[in-house]
Amino acid sequence: GNSVTQMEGPVTLSEEAFLTINCTYTATGYPSLFWYVQYPGEGLQLLLKATKADDKGSNKGFEATYRKETTSFHLEKGSVQVSDSAVYFCATNTGFQKLVFGTGTRLLVSP
Amino acid sequence: SAVISQKPSRDICQRGTSLTIQCQVDSQVTMMFWYRQQPGQSLTLIATANQGSEATYESGFVIDKFPISRPNLTFSTLTVSNMSPEDSSIYLCSVEPPTQSDGYTFGSGTRLTVV
Repeated sequence: GNSVTQMEGPVTLSEEAFLTINCTYTATGYPSLFWYVQYPGEGLQLLLKATKADDKGSNKGFEATYRKETTSFHLEKGSVQVSDSAVYFCATNTGFQKLVFGTGTRLLVSP
Repeated sequence: SAVISQKPSRDICQRGTSLTIQCQVDSQVTMMFWYRQQPGQSLTLIATANQGSEATYESGFVIDKFPISRPNLTFSTLTVSNMSPEDSSIYLCSVEPPTQSDGYTFGSGTRLTVV
């Protein structure tokens, strides 16, 4: 079945630093890829998505490119803010099947 | 995308009791999903609920422990039965996206503490 592997956290950065959170996947067919964010005490919010190879998803300054050749979907942001502190989940699906999540990466941004 | 109202948002329950969590969607959806997020962990799918049929449970989850109802296309409940402290988790519902390229929408979650 589909699976996702993402880097362990926590990732600790200073404000305005560059962020990368690695995510790789294994899947059959043509999966869609997602990044979800969970702010402290809240539910999951869709951050960005990509549905086919070479697509770039972007939102709120975050970007991720669907790389089929490396089966990766790394999350990046050029300049993080304290308000970006949250847990980030990489996920994949195929068609309308269930989502499969990575273990989550906690990001801590200090002023 | 769909808007999901989930309640309660949190609860503290005594061991041995049961809690029913509700999810209301603002549009009709065929498939609803229930997830569990144990403390510091990722999300694990409990079951998929289709209207008009029994829920389909993932390995490690059983109907007696997590009975699910799906009376119509906009509503579902998950009951956590005979609770123990190990059931302390966040429980989230989700719905299928309108198209394959859309993201799944989640409820805000129910934070359950069993004492």
